[in-house]
Amino acid sequence: NAGVTQTPKFRVLKTGQSMTLLCAQDMNHEYMYWYRQDPGMGLRLIHYSVGEGTTAKGEVPDGYNVSRLKKQNFLLGLESAAPSQTSVYFCASSYWQGLSPLHFGNGTRLTVT
Amino acid sequence: GQQLNQSPQSMFIQEGEDVSMNCTSSSIFNTWLWYKQDPGEGPVLLIALYKAGELTSNGRLTAQFGITRKDSFLNISASIPSDVGIYFCAGHKYTGTASKLTFGTGTRLQVTL
Repeated sequence: NAGVTQTPKFRVLKTGQSMTLLCAQDMNHEYMYWYRQDPGMGLRLIHYSVGEGTTAKGEVPDGYNVSRLKKQNFLLGLESAAPSQTSVYFCASSYWQGLSPLHFGNGTRLTVT
Repeated sequence: GQQLNQSPQSMFIQEGEDVSMNCTSSSIFNTWLWYKQDPGEGPVLLIALYKAGELTSNGRLTAQFGITRKDSFLNISASIPSDVGIYFCAGHKYTGTASKLTFGTGTRLQVTL
């Protein structure tokens, strides 16, 4: 089983450029999440989805958009990248919120110059 | 947003030593979770704690859900080189209308031979 797959693994953008990060899960999970990880900050929730066609804001949503057109995919978009968005981005999925454990992808390292 | 206070931030220990790390919060959680992140990978769930005072083991790992529901600790006995990584605590609670998971800032563990 692949679990949670993120593409790409690495990306370098210039300020103002746009890009989309793709997350795919093959576990039939209802819930999907996008986190960013910064040194000394732990993991912070950007956006999440409780099912196909739904999205909701997390703790740090500004500058990002998401879409969940298919249950297995959750896309994270940066419309106009800024250096403050340099980070490692993790996608995760779970069967439901709450007691169900999160399954994480291996991350996308994004650098914005 | 709230961050859990996790300590220590980093540890350098020798193989065979025991390790202890903890996580504290100003608010109550319903569930405490401990994740480990290997270099270049996403976090993986180690232990989940569901009841105040609960003590749970997983091999050489032991974790406890604090009686006040505001803290948790993780112990690793007889450390080995593959224990290297970042350990994250996470607290979960229901806020009435939503389910919220908050991560700690991480403890980076280095094991020397």
